[in-house]
Amino acid sequence: KAGVTQTPRYLIKTRGQQVTLSCSPISGHRSVSWYQQTPGQGLQFLFEYFSETQRNKGNFPGRFSGRQFSNSRSEMNVSTLELGDSALYLCASHRDRYNEQFFGPGTRLTVL
Amino acid sequence: ILNVEQSPQSLHVQEGDSTNFTCSFPSSNFYALHWYRWETAKSPEALFVMTLNGDEKKKGRISATLNTKEGYSYLYIKGSQPEDSATYLCAFHPGSTDKLIFGTGTRLQVFP
Repeated sequence: KAGVTQTPRYLIKTRGQQVTLSCSPISGHRSVSWYQQTPGQGLQFLFEYFSETQRNKGNFPGRFSGRQFSNSRSEMNVSTLELGDSALYLCASHRDRYNEQFFGPGTRLTVL
Repeated sequence: ILNVEQSPQSLHVQEGDSTNFTCSFPSSNFYALHWYRWETAKSPEALFVMTLNGDEKKKGRISATLNTKEGYSYLYIKGSQPEDSATYLCAFHPGSTDKLIFGTGTRLQVFP
């Protein structure tokens, strides 16, 4: 069974730009969660999608948004990038809300 | 604000030593407690999902216990090996939401 894939793996942007990250879950998983990790911080929850609907949202500004497609693939978008958005962005897929999460390799975003 | 604390932050042990670390979480509104292992340059990998007070789970040399009444979980590694070197994350799943709230992790290094 193929694992969770994320593209791109690395990205360099400048302040003010916007970025879109993509996540393909494990086949059959309908839930996708997104997390941000910055140095010294644990994984911070961004949002969770289930069947194309955002089911939960973390405490991030409105510049962070996401969506999920009918094939369960998910994208997250960050507009008007700030230096503090430099982080590792991980997505995780799970069968439903009660199960372990399977993480992708992450996208390392650097904002200059 | 829901807080998940892990201690110690880091640990250095010799090969063959047994070790344990702690995850503290809110004792109310509990649904589940997850443990993940995150090796450098890899994705976090699920170890256990624990839901019942008094639960004990085991996978090889790694085991975990859960006390939901007092809000803590212990992870034990028996006879640590260099390949156990990783960051161990716990994540609290409250009953009122499907967000996982992660601790900042315990970084374990096992020296040969």
